[in-house]
Amino acid sequence: GAGVSQSPSNKVTEKGKDVELRCDPISGHTALYWYRQSLGQGLEFLIYFQGNSAPDKSGLPSDRFSAERTGGSVSTLTIQRTQQEDSAVYLCASSLRWGNTEAFFGQGTRLTVV
Amino acid sequence: TQLLEQSPQFLSIQEGENLTVYCNSSSVFSSLQWYRQEPGEGPVLLVTVVTGGEVKKLKRLTFQFGDARKDSSLHITAAQPGDTGLYLCAARGSNDYKLSFGAGTTVTVRA
Repeated sequence: GAGVSQSPSNKVTEKGKDVELRCDPISGHTALYWYRQSLGQGLEFLIYFQGNSAPDKSGLPSDRFSAERTGGSVSTLTIQRTQQEDSAVYLCASSLRWGNTEAFFGQGTRLTVV
Repeated sequence: TQLLEQSPQFLSIQEGENLTVYCNSSSVFSSLQWYRQEPGEGPVLLVTVVTGGEVKKLKRLTFQFGDARKDSSLHITAAQPGDTGLYLCAARGSNDYKLSFGAGTTVTVRA
């Protein structure tokens, strides 16, 4: 595709439910990032995938959060047993490779836990 | 702890004025990037600086990377309402592949 695509754009869920957020990176990009952004704040790193290497999961806030990347392309971020503090915009980015390359962001998924 | 410290957190100025945003750290970086984010959108890259002391200009925006590669600044000359947005610095450590972001500076330019 032309850019990074995220779906859904908005998600409202009840506390305790599980949610899945999807990211389609730019074709050919080997690096993929997930970030979380609270209102008016900077980006909190969650997880990083690079090619076939083991992902860097050091930013995941709890074991309720997990992510996978199938076939080196599409990625899914799963939040189990959602809590109100999980409400935020979840941003996905991809880059051609690691290093001094530009990260291209999707428009994000706004998650609201009620 | 925040790897990258940005200041100020908020900046509101009149059209035509100049502004400077700072990004500081105690760590040395192989490169540093500046992004701008508008409401409802993802951040968009403005510039990448890689050499200590480097200065890059993008129209009315001037970016500087500190000699020790620990800090950077963004200067906007004669700001316009279209410059309004959240400005974020981002960097990778020398042994770290993940891209870490500062908390951002929210810039508002009033017409």
